[in-house]
Amino acid sequence: GAGVSQSPRYKVAKRGQDVALRCDPISGHVSLFWYQQALGQGPEFLTYFQNEAQLDKSGLPSDRFFAERPEGSVSTLKIQRTQQEDSAVYLCASSLDRVASEQYFGPGTRLTVT
Amino acid sequence: DAKTTQPNSMESNEEEPVHLPCNHSTISGTDYIHWYRQLPSQGPEYVIHGLTSNVNNRMASLAIAEDRKSSTLILHRATLRDAAVYYCILRGVADDKIIFGKGTRLHILP
Repeated sequence: GAGVSQSPRYKVAKRGQDVALRCDPISGHVSLFWYQQALGQGPEFLTYFQNEAQLDKSGLPSDRFFAERPEGSVSTLKIQRTQQEDSAVYLCASSLDRVASEQYFGPGTRLTVT
Repeated sequence: DAKTTQPNSMESNEEEPVHLPCNHSTISGTDYIHWYRQLPSQGPEYVIHGLTSNVNNRMASLAIAEDRKSSTLILHRATLRDAAVYYCILRGVADDKIIFGKGTRLHILP
């Protein structure tokens, strides 16, 4: 079956531009996660949804980062006024339910801010 | 959060077994030990998890020390496609997010 998909796979933005990154989770998966992965580092948690409710946004680095999942399926991570330090791979993952279950990751979106 | 310690990198020859160690001396009684791996240019993928007993699946085996302060991921016969970063992670029963460390970068030599 189809896995988690993300688009675009690559995005180049000029500093100050807004970007929107899309995640299509596995159908029926309740939980959706966003992670940020800097070069040479492990992924770091950004935010988490259970259905359409954003239950944890403690990892969002600033108020320029905003995520939504309005109908409990597709999610969008938006970054306003991008800065060079936002350059990273943004990973989306989904899982069947909340409690410590296996997470399925998409291939990520590589964002480069110039 | 309980932390894990892994070697930065390891090498192994193709078609030989690989033992990837992980130390987690501050593990709590309800923490599960999970392993994920990340192949180049891909997102992480689940490998295996366990609580106390050793576990086997089609990808690997997980050997857990009796005191649970360490564990070892075993790839029985490494192939070039197993070259990846392997993450050892502790997750409580109520944990949602995954806290990754830096993992072990496994190189497979042909």
